[in-house]
Amino acid sequence: AQSVTQPDIHITVSEGASLELRCNYSYGATPYLFWYVQSPGQGLQLLLKYFSGDTLVQGIKGFEAEFKRSQSSFNLRKPSVHWSDAAEYFCAVGADGNQFYFGTGTSLTVIP
Amino acid sequence: DGGITQSPKYLFRKEGQNVTLSCEQNLNHDAMYWYRQDPGQGLRLIYYSQIVNDFQKGDIAEGYSVSREKKESFPLTVTSAQKNPTAFYLCASSIESTDNEQFFGPGTRLTVL
Repeated sequence: AQSVTQPDIHITVSEGASLELRCNYSYGATPYLFWYVQSPGQGLQLLLKYFSGDTLVQGIKGFEAEFKRSQSSFNLRKPSVHWSDAAEYFCAVGADGNQFYFGTGTSLTVIP
Repeated sequence: DGGITQSPKYLFRKEGQNVTLSCEQNLNHDAMYWYRQDPGQGLRLIYYSQIVNDFQKGDIAEGYSVSREKKESFPLTVTSAQKNPTAFYLCASSIESTDNEQFFGPGTRLTVL
């Protein structure tokens, strides 16, 4: 069965520090992978997506993610975090039938 | 501007009442979805529809109903059979293809009093 695991429920980083949010997936076929961001009380916004090709994917707001098939991972990174990056981050895998499977999310706090 | 609208943003309901959440999109997307979001549980799929007049149950459909009479609209009714309806509800849409992203509306927060 398809599933997505985000092992870190909450992460705190200092402004200007680097960030890595972890995501592991379970899916039998070639995965379609996504990272979304959600500000409090708002909908989700797509940060980036991976379908095929280059395993390092660039997204909006300076984020990138790397697909590692051998580790079934799709970790999100940012070299220097800004206070405005504080939000909830969701990893998702797209499956057959247009269904998405979401992780439980990682809440990011940025301290000055 | 194209996008997804959900109304109302906040909704209060008394126990035992049915309530309908609106979701409209002007993106010309075939597929539409309803998710429920609770703290610490991520997004859980309630119903989805890939074409007009057709829809499928998701993982937590009990106590909910939907209709898809128009391509642009996918309303969700939370019935009195839903035992714990207080949550944040998100509507999404996508082009009907597995490799296409889902676009989300701003959400409706439902509180049962």
